[in-house]
Amino acid sequence: SQQGEEDPQALSIQEGENATMNCSYKTSINNLQWYRQNSGRGLVHLILIRSNEREKHSGRLRVTLDTSKKSSSLLITASRAADTASYFCATDEGGLSGGYQKVTFGTGTKLQVIP
Amino acid sequence: GAGVSQSPRYKVAKRGQDVALRCDPISGHVSLFWYQQALGQGPEFLTYFQNEAQLDKSGLPSDRFFAERPEGSVSTLKIQRTQQEDSAVYLCASSSGTSGSYNEQFFGPGTRLTVL
Repeated sequence: SQQGEEDPQALSIQEGENATMNCSYKTSINNLQWYRQNSGRGLVHLILIRSNEREKHSGRLRVTLDTSKKSSSLLITASRAADTASYFCATDEGGLSGGYQKVTFGTGTKLQVIP
Repeated sequence: GAGVSQSPRYKVAKRGQDVALRCDPISGHVSLFWYQQALGQGPEFLTYFQNEAQLDKSGLPSDRFFAERPEGSVSTLKIQRTQQEDSAVYLCASSSGTSGSYNEQFFGPGTRLTVL
């Protein structure tokens, strides 16, 4: 079953605009991650934010996390055509037998950046 | 070296056939994961290996699904008597650690399985 739901399901913007995607999840988490997936490069890890962090930046990416609302947002600034892809949030609960991260993905946002 | 590789990239099977999907993780990675991604959905966890031990197979949808990693490196996901609902992209990921702290998972390109 999917842990998270992304909103919107699809987003189309002009190159240079900002894109914001939201993710809601259901259970307590250790970390929340955002991934990008396109046909050319498969599923690629973008950024991780820990449950005790509220905001994180990486290049043109800004992620926020609100654990009280069980939600996160991903902002891509100054978008480029190459940002066209599906974006997924993923959470891990940790603390499981063997200590591995069982990652649960959301349903994804399909972003199209028009040149 | 190279990233995670999977083969075949595409597989078409007739309903009822058995298929085997291969994953070559990054060399030295202890952890290996299999995911199933249906069209328009996010990946869903199938099973997890730590070296050769299968520690979690809670996501396998039925007893027709079987995974192994006998020498702690290459893994095979086998689906017996394939059904149309098995059509999906099967992703493999590996990571270097096993501890409770975060270890990034690196994903392969996936195998797209189509069952006719």
